[in-house]
Amino acid sequence: GENVEQHPSTLSVQEGDSAVIKCTYSDSASNYFPWYKQELGKRPQLIIDIRSNVGEKKDQRIAVTLNKTAKHFSLHITETQPEDSAVYFCAASTADSSYKLIFGSGTRLLVRP
Amino acid sequence: NAGVTQTPKFQVLKTGQSMTLQCAQDMNHEYMSWYRQDPGMGLRLIHYSVGAGITDQGEVPNGYNVSRSTTEDFPLRLLSAAPSQTSVYFCASSYGGISNQPQHFGDGTRLSIL
Repeated sequence: GENVEQHPSTLSVQEGDSAVIKCTYSDSASNYFPWYKQELGKRPQLIIDIRSNVGEKKDQRIAVTLNKTAKHFSLHITETQPEDSAVYFCAASTADSSYKLIFGSGTRLLVRP
Repeated sequence: NAGVTQTPKFQVLKTGQSMTLQCAQDMNHEYMSWYRQDPGMGLRLIHYSVGAGITDQGEVPNGYNVSRSTTEDFPLRLLSAAPSQTSVYFCASSYGGISNQPQHFGDGTRLSIL
């Protein structure tokens, strides 16, 4: 079945710096890759997603890139702010038609003021 | 719209007890799913449903049952609670259709099994 690996598990950056989180997936038929942000004690919330027919997508300070050949995708946050501190999860859809998502294990991002 | 509503928010059970975690959505979403979240392990899919009357197993289905009698509701049943089921449980829903759509999560249920 699909497997998603996420790195790093923790990331500490200075406010204003960029942060990059990387994920690899195993199923070459996966075609949907969302990223979720989860603040402490809260629900996961979608921040950006990308489909397999697109190589890059950007939304203000957040961007996601997808390399289908290498089966990896990355989240880029520029000009980080303390409110970006949270746990970030990547996910990949499965190849069948059930719209299942397999999640990575998460990255705890700390933005130091 | 309330979105995805989960009840209860917190629950403590004794080993061997049974209970049902409730999940309801008011967005007319076809797809609903249950995840458990354990420290350092992300979100793992327990069961999912692609529409009323249709359910299937995810990654970690053992010890849990689901049913989907209506589009709105997708309850998760613990048949005989075990300490290993101590976790935070999230319900999510999304539109169906040809392509994947964003999943919307509820606030979660924190479950402790003693």
